[in-house]
Amino acid sequence: GDSVTQMEGPVTLSEEAFLTINCTYTATGYPSLFWYVQYPGEGLQLLLKATKADDKGSNKGFEATYRKETTSFHLEKGSVQVSDSAVYFCALRRYGGSQGNLIFGKGTKLSVKP
Amino acid sequence: ETGVTQTPRHLVMGMTNKKSLKCEQHLGHNAMYWYKQSAKKPLELMFVYSLEERVENNSVPSRFSPECPNSSHLFLHLHTLQPEDSALYLCASSQDWGQGNSPLHFGNGTRLTVT
Repeated sequence: GDSVTQMEGPVTLSEEAFLTINCTYTATGYPSLFWYVQYPGEGLQLLLKATKADDKGSNKGFEATYRKETTSFHLEKGSVQVSDSAVYFCALRRYGGSQGNLIFGKGTKLSVKP
Repeated sequence: ETGVTQTPRHLVMGMTNKKSLKCEQHLGHNAMYWYKQSAKKPLELMFVYSLEERVENNSVPSRFSPECPNSSHLFLHLHTLQPEDSALYLCASSQDWGQGNSPLHFGNGTRLTVT
């Protein structure tokens, strides 16, 4: 079945460091890929998405590129801030069928120190 | 007004109580979802409604009973819960159920504690 694998956390970085959170997926067909972020005490917010191969999603300085050849969708940010501390979820969603739900990774907790 | 609103934010209930969680979306979406988020576990999809019709029910115990009276409102009725049901319950909506590229929009969740 479909699945999403994220790097284990927690990830601790200093402010202005470069961030990469790895995400790989297994799916039949051509899923859409998403990154969600969950700040403490809140629900999940869509951070960015890509719907086809080679698409790049970007938002708030975060980027991820849909790589079909490596089945990956790694999240990157050039310079993290303390306010980026949160849990990040990679997810996929296939078109049609009974897979209307998102398949989530387990989440990666990011802590950014001043 | 935020897109998806959940009430209450926090709920403490005994195992013999009956309570309900409420979700309302202001986005004009056609699909609504209940998820359970427990510590150390992946997000679990519980129920999906599309145009007020239940389209997925992922082996959820009968002590959880969803209700979708219209496309903007979703309830989760709770009765005789167990302590292991303590979790964050998240409601979400999306434009359509079967459209793979439409993202889900989440509420802030209800933090449920069963004593």
